[in-house]
Amino acid sequence: QKEVEQNSGPLSVPEGAIASLNCTYSDRVSQSFFWYRQYSGKSPELIMSIYSNGDKEDGRFTAQLNKASQYVSLLIRDSQPSDSATYLCAVTKTGRRALTFGSGTRLQVQP
Amino acid sequence: GAVVSQHPSRVICKSGTSVKIECRSLDFQATTMFWYRQFPKKSLMLMATSNEGSKATYEQGVEKDKFLINHASLTLSTLTVTSAHPEDSSFYICSARDRLAGYSTDTQYFGPGTRLTVL
Repeated sequence: QKEVEQNSGPLSVPEGAIASLNCTYSDRVSQSFFWYRQYSGKSPELIMSIYSNGDKEDGRFTAQLNKASQYVSLLIRDSQPSDSATYLCAVTKTGRRALTFGSGTRLQVQP
Repeated sequence: GAVVSQHPSRVICKSGTSVKIECRSLDFQATTMFWYRQFPKKSLMLMATSNEGSKATYEQGVEKDKFLINHASLTLSTLTVTSAHPEDSSFYICSARDRLAGYSTDTQYFGPGTRLTVL
């Protein structure tokens, strides 16, 4: 079982719709959770971080964390073609600062 | 703020040569930097954790004698790929953690990456 699992996609949504990206993790001691966006040929850029159960909103993005079910999700409202990218879920564990990444979900926003 | 640079952005070398990649935190000090490798259409895989003033910690399966890491200052870590071979061709990305960030945050800032092609 992979430590961090994501559906590889592609997830295709029309412009203006809500895109929902999901991620599950296997290790219950995971502490911090991140969503990164990566455009082809570029390095990841941080979109959201979340540390406690519940929702965290930042502009068009909402991260949701459920530690009991061991999943974290990212909602993108009013999706734009420029949101088309691969979205990487990453976690850290207590005492280990390095990130463990999922394989990423490719999002395609259709104009 | 929180800018990380990498140099070079792209390098092509012959098999058997060594290549050095620099990772710099430009506006903050980083006691810890991380080196990742990403193959096409794959996710980032941690290679090693670079600690300022001490030896790097390598992930299982990563040869420390092949991938030499030096973190001599609070703003610079280098990765040297020694005796490079075509299978080392990859996208190498570093990240850095702000020394002043609290222990409650694990946020890392990524460099733009270095694309290595070994002929």
